Amino acid sequence: GNSVTQMEGPVTLSEEAFLTINCTYTATGYPSLFWYVQYPGEGLQLLLKATKADDKGSNKGFEATYRKETTSFHLEKGSVQVSDSAVYFCALTPMDSSYKLIFGSGTRLLVRP
Amino acid sequence: KAGVTQTPRYLIKTRGQQVTLSCSPISGHRSVSWYQQTPGQGLQFLFEYFSETQRNKGNFPGRFSGRQFSNSRSEMNVSTLELGDSALYLCASSLDGRAPDTQYFGPGTRLTVL
Repeated sequence: GNSVTQMEGPVTLSEEAFLTINCTYTATGYPSLFWYVQYPGEGLQLLLKATKADDKGSNKGFEATYRKETTSFHLEKGSVQVSDSAVYFCALTPMDSSYKLIFGSGTRLLVRP
Repeated sequence: KAGVTQTPRYLIKTRGQQVTLSCSPISGHRSVSWYQQTPGQGLQFLFEYFSETQRNKGNFPGRFSGRQFSNSRSEMNVSTLELGDSALYLCASSLDGRAPDTQYFGPGTRLTVL
């Protein structure tokens, strides 16, 4: 079946540190891949997406590349800020007609000044 | 363009009661999905509607139901509330709900069952 696996959190970093949050997936064909971010007390915001192999999604300094060969979509940022503290969710939409997002368990990021 | 709106934002109910949550999608979006978010189970898919038809349903008991209106607005209903129904309920809308479409989420309704 379709699934998403994320690294366990929390991830604690100092401001300006490099961030990587690992995400791997299981799915048939070429699912669309997403990173969503959830700030405290809020809903999910789309951070970036990629819809085919080798696509790179980017937004607000965050990047992730769709790697079909390793079934991965790792999130990276070169220099995190305190304001990046949030929970990050990796997700996929399968190519089948299930019309749903399948989420990973989320990774909490805490950035200290 | 206005985003996805959900009402109410917060609800407190007691066991055995029922509740109705509302979702207004982004203008032009015809697919509306609902998700339940809890600390223990994470984000779980409830159901998806398109043009007033439920196309998919997650693994939830029949107490959870929904509907969509001709203007694409959607409601979900939970009957005979249980303590375990306490959660953040998120609504998402998209153009047609299929890959590579993007789902945009509302702020959620926080339901507390006492």
